[in-house]
Amino acid sequence: GNSVTQMEGPVTLSEEAFLTINCTYTATGYPSLFWYVQYPGEGLQLLLKATKADDKGSNKGFEATYRKETTSFHLEKGSVQVSDSAVYFCALTGTASKLTFGTGTRLQVTL
Amino acid sequence: GAVVSQHPSWVICKSGTSVKIECRSLDFQATTMFWYRQFPKQSLMLMATSNEGSKATYEQGVEKDKFLINHASLTLSTLTVTSAHPEDSSFYICSAPSASAREAQYFGPGTRLLVL
Repeated sequence: GNSVTQMEGPVTLSEEAFLTINCTYTATGYPSLFWYVQYPGEGLQLLLKATKADDKGSNKGFEATYRKETTSFHLEKGSVQVSDSAVYFCALTGTASKLTFGTGTRLQVTL
Repeated sequence: GAVVSQHPSWVICKSGTSVKIECRSLDFQATTMFWYRQFPKQSLMLMATSNEGSKATYEQGVEKDKFLINHASLTLSTLTVTSAHPEDSSFYICSAPSASAREAQYFGPGTRLLVL
């Protein structure tokens, strides 16, 4: 079946540091890949997505590239802010729109 | 963008009572909605798929009689936690897919349930 593996957190960074959160996946066929963000006490918000190999999703300074050869979709941001502190979930969608989530990575950005 | 709402956002109830959570798609129709459960500091666990006009599809290990799902219309799905117990305390989140299976799902803001 489908699965998503994320690096364990928490990740603690200083403001303006470079961020990488690793995500690899196992899936049949050609899934779409997503990064969702969850701020404290809230539901999930779509951060970015990529629907086919070599696509790069980007939003709010975050980027991730769909790498079929390495089955990866790593999230990056060049300069994080305190407001980026949240939990980030990597996910893929397979059949019937069902999402498979990674375990989530908590990011804490400090001044 | 598409909006999904949930009501209530927070509920406290006594053990043994039932609690109903509503999930609405505000500006689009959803023949399918998903219900998730999230424990503190953990990922989302898919509980069931709600299907308009037919029975919900439950994931393995989820009690159908405990978590009743009704998809009454193209914009409303409800999850009823029956005879709630403290171990049912959790964060419940619904989502609705966009028109394309390859696109994102739209998530509700979640409902936090505390059973005393």
